Amino acid sequence: NAGVTQTPKFRVLKTGQSMTLLCAQDMNHEYMYWYRQDPGMGLRLIHYSVGEGTTAKGEVPDGYNVSRLKKQNFLLGLESAAPSQTSVYFCASSYSNQAGGSYNEQFFGPGTRLTVL
Amino acid sequence: GENVEQHPSTLSVQEGDSAVIKCTYSDSASNYFPWYKQELGKRPQLIIDIRSNVGEKKDQRIAVTLNKTAKHFSLHITETQPEDSAVYFCAASNDDYKLSFGAGTTVTVRA
Repeated sequence: NAGVTQTPKFRVLKTGQSMTLLCAQDMNHEYMYWYRQDPGMGLRLIHYSVGEGTTAKGEVPDGYNVSRLKKQNFLLGLESAAPSQTSVYFCASSYSNQAGGSYNEQFFGPGTRLTVL
Repeated sequence: GENVEQHPSTLSVQEGDSAVIKCTYSDSASNYFPWYKQELGKRPQLIIDIRSNVGEKKDQRIAVTLNKTAKHFSLHITETQPEDSAVYFCAASNDDYKLSFGAGTTVTVRA
């Protein structure tokens, strides 16, 4: 099992450019999340999904869009990148509540380092 | 929404000593409190968690305590080792899936 994977690992954009970050998980998890990590600010939730075809806003959703067309994939889009979106982006996934066990554990991907010039 | 504050932001300890990180939360409905460890350049990983119906949980050298009345919880690492050097994040949840994270504590274990 690969767990949670993210592509790309690194990316440099110019202000105004667009891009899509891809997250994939092979653990059959219902829930998926996108976070951004900035120094001194911890992990902040951008958007999340509780199942295929559903998405919801997190703590810092402005400037981002997401889609979950397939259960195993969660895409994060930046339509017009800004320097304030320079960050490390982490995707995570977890079981739904009904799965039992450590069902709240979120499994993180390796991260994408994005720089917007 | 939930607000989680974490202290200290940095912590330096001598190998073999104990380390304590404290977090407070604002939402009295929060009922799940995990701790994640992130080594340099790596992804965060769950190391221990506790639910609101339990006051303390221990796993080898790490333990977490929860005070619901005061709305704070702490991570205790005993007999620290060099491999304990990392950033530690506390988090809280009131719905069993979305997490609100603290800002993180950078722990350095001095040999």
